[in-house]
Amino acid sequence: GNSVTQMEGPVTLSEEAFLTINCTYTATGYPSLFWYVQYPGEGLQLLLKATKADDKGSNKGFEATYRKETTSFHLEKGSVQVSDSAVYFCALRADSGGYNKLIFGAGTRLAVHP
Amino acid sequence: KAGVTQTPRYLIKTRGQQVTLSCSPISGHRSVSWYQQTPGQGLQFLFEYFSETQRNKGNFPGRFSGRQFSNSRSEMNVSTLELGDSALYLCASSSPGGTNEKLFFGSGTQLSVL
Repeated sequence: GNSVTQMEGPVTLSEEAFLTINCTYTATGYPSLFWYVQYPGEGLQLLLKATKADDKGSNKGFEATYRKETTSFHLEKGSVQVSDSAVYFCALRADSGGYNKLIFGAGTRLAVHP
Repeated sequence: KAGVTQTPRYLIKTRGQQVTLSCSPISGHRSVSWYQQTPGQGLQFLFEYFSETQRNKGNFPGRFSGRQFSNSRSEMNVSTLELGDSALYLCASSSPGGTNEKLFFGSGTQLSVL
C-alpha cells in the first residue's frame, strides 16, 4: 500500500542554519506529493507541493524536488528562522481515486533557536 | 474570507458515550475531509464528503460516521467512545472542482475520552 516515511525529530537548529528533512514514499503510479506545516495549536497549512517527477515545489524559502528514481521529496531551506519552528508533515495523494485522501508521514518537529 | 471552522474546540466525554463534531468549510468549498491526529498513529484519513456524498473512506470502524449537508457543512459522529478515540480531529475543505489538491484545514476539535 501507499506510505510515507520521514525522518524522526526533533530537529534542533540555530537560526540561519541549513535545514533538510528527509521524506521517502511508497506508492504505485504517480502520486502527488506535499509538505504541510503545523504550528502549535493550529491546523495544517500547505507549504508546497509537486505533482510530477522532477517538479520542484517552493514557498517561503522552502524547496522540495519530486525524485521518482529515489522515491523522495526532501524538504530544504537555506537559512531557517525562529518562526519556522513547527511540525512538518510530508504527504502523498494517490494518482487515481485519491481525491482528498492524503497519506501523511509521522511528522518532524523542528525547533530553531536564536 | 472566513477559514474552516470547527466546533467545539475542546470536548471531554466518557467511555461509551457518543459525540458529534461539526465543520463549516470555506464558503464555496464542496469537499470536506476528516482526519484523526494522535501521537501514536499520526494523521489518519477518516472520510471525505463531496456534494453530500461520501466518496472516500479510511480504515476506521463503523463507530465513526459522517455526513454532509446541502450547505456543505459536515458533521462526524463517533458512537460508543473508547479511550483510544482521544485525539485531535481535523477537518479540511477544498475548492469547487472536487479534485483540487489544496486542502484548507481547521484548527481541530480536541476530544478527550475518560
